[in-house]
Amino acid sequence: DAGVIQSPRHEVTEMGQEVTLRCKPISGHNSLFWYRQTMMRGLELLIYFNNNVPIDDSGMPEDRFSAKMPNASFSTLKIQPSEPRDSAVYFCASSPDRNYGYTFGSGTRLTVV
Amino acid sequence: KNQVEQSPQSLIILEGKNCTLQCNYTVSPFSNLRWYKQDTGRGPVSLTIMTFSENTKSNGRYTATLDADTKQSSLHITASQLSDSASYICVVSLPPDKIIFGKGTRLHILP
Repeated sequence: DAGVIQSPRHEVTEMGQEVTLRCKPISGHNSLFWYRQTMMRGLELLIYFNNNVPIDDSGMPEDRFSAKMPNASFSTLKIQPSEPRDSAVYFCASSPDRNYGYTFGSGTRLTVV
Repeated sequence: KNQVEQSPQSLIILEGKNCTLQCNYTVSPFSNLRWYKQDTGRGPVSLTIMTFSENTKSNGRYTATLDADTKQSSLHITASQLSDSASYICVVSLPPDKIIFGKGTRLHILP
């Protein structure tokens, strides 16, 4: 079991550019979560999918952020246009059920300059 | 307002000693409470999950307790090891899908 796989591990981009983060959940897990972590705010849930359907996107900061899950084995988080305040570590996590523990990926460290 | 407060913010102890981390929450209603360990540069890893009716749960040298009446949880680490140096995050879930994270306690184990 390779776990939750995220790519890239690190991303440095200029303000205004589009950024796409990718996630491959654990096979068979029905729930997928995108989180953002900063020193100031800790971990924040951005959006949660269940069976590929977005259930709760109330944590998505603004319209610049969008997430998709076209199938059970792949999800993307897109930021367009990116801003310096988006700099953070973005984690993807999956779970067999939202009431169970989540398995986190290693995260993508995003730096917007 | 639903909140999860952890204390202390950071803690330094000597290897081999025990320690206890605290989590107080104002969340209501309540589905479950989880403790996660996050090593630097890595994603959080689940240590324990407790529902409303559970008072204690162990995972090796980690023991979590829950008092649903006072809305307090603690994570006790026994005979600490250098590898226990990490951030420990308390997470409380509300039905149906709301999740609230604590800011974490940063634990440093000194040799």
